Amino acid sequence: QLRLQESGPGLVKPSETLSLTCTVSGGSVTINDYYWAWIRQPPGKGLEWIGSIYHSGSTYYNSSLESRVAISIDTSKNQFSLKLSSVTAADTAVYWCARLRGGGDYWGQGTLVTVSS
Amino acid sequence: EIVMTQSPATLSMSPGERATLSCRANQSVVNNLAWYQQKPGQAPRLLIYATSMRATGIPARFSGSGFGTQFTLTISSLQSEDFAVYYCQQYNDWPRALTFGGGTKVEMK
Repeated sequence: QLRLQESGPGLVKPSETLSLTCTVSGGSVTINDYYWAWIRQPPGKGLEWIGSIYHSGSTYYNSSLESRVAISIDTSKNQFSLKLSSVTAADTAVYWCARLRGGGDYWGQGTLVTVSS
Repeated sequence: EIVMTQSPATLSMSPGERATLSCRANQSVVNNLAWYQQKPGQAPRLLIYATSMRATGIPARFSGSGFGTQFTLTISSLQSEDFAVYYCQQYNDWPRALTFGGGTKVEMK
């Protein structure tokens, strides 16, 4: 059974960089036809796709976040990571990693990241 | 950007009733549409992909329909575990972009 687990700081100061890692177990990130994604949900609000990465390293980002986002993948560790720079309180959200092929069939449990000084 | 609009925002239903949730796109997404169920404190769960295909393990009481810009998720007979928030998501330009609707909360009347 595929399992995804997010890890990283739960508290980030304004203007700093949010960094999260998703560790994949029970399967490989090098599987063909699937992308690995980050999706977030501010408290009480809806879902927002942040970006996706393929095992080749090809990335696609939400245009509204593109200037601040970087997603990378480490196939040797079966992990992929998110960096979101210059964060503000508006970036406070639950962040999920997920496997996508159009729809997302496997998701992590999510991690709450709060932006506050 | 493709904008997805879900209606109604809240649906007050009783167990056993039929629930119909709508999702509209501001431009055609063909049949590249998925539905998710989300319960408090949990990750979204994929119910439907490609408009009408049930994901693995999803009960037959969940069905999807539509094409182009108008889509529907139907729950034929609501069970207690179905009270949750439902999101649609288009992936017509995947992997370049995907967007979610704002959600419909199905609550117990």
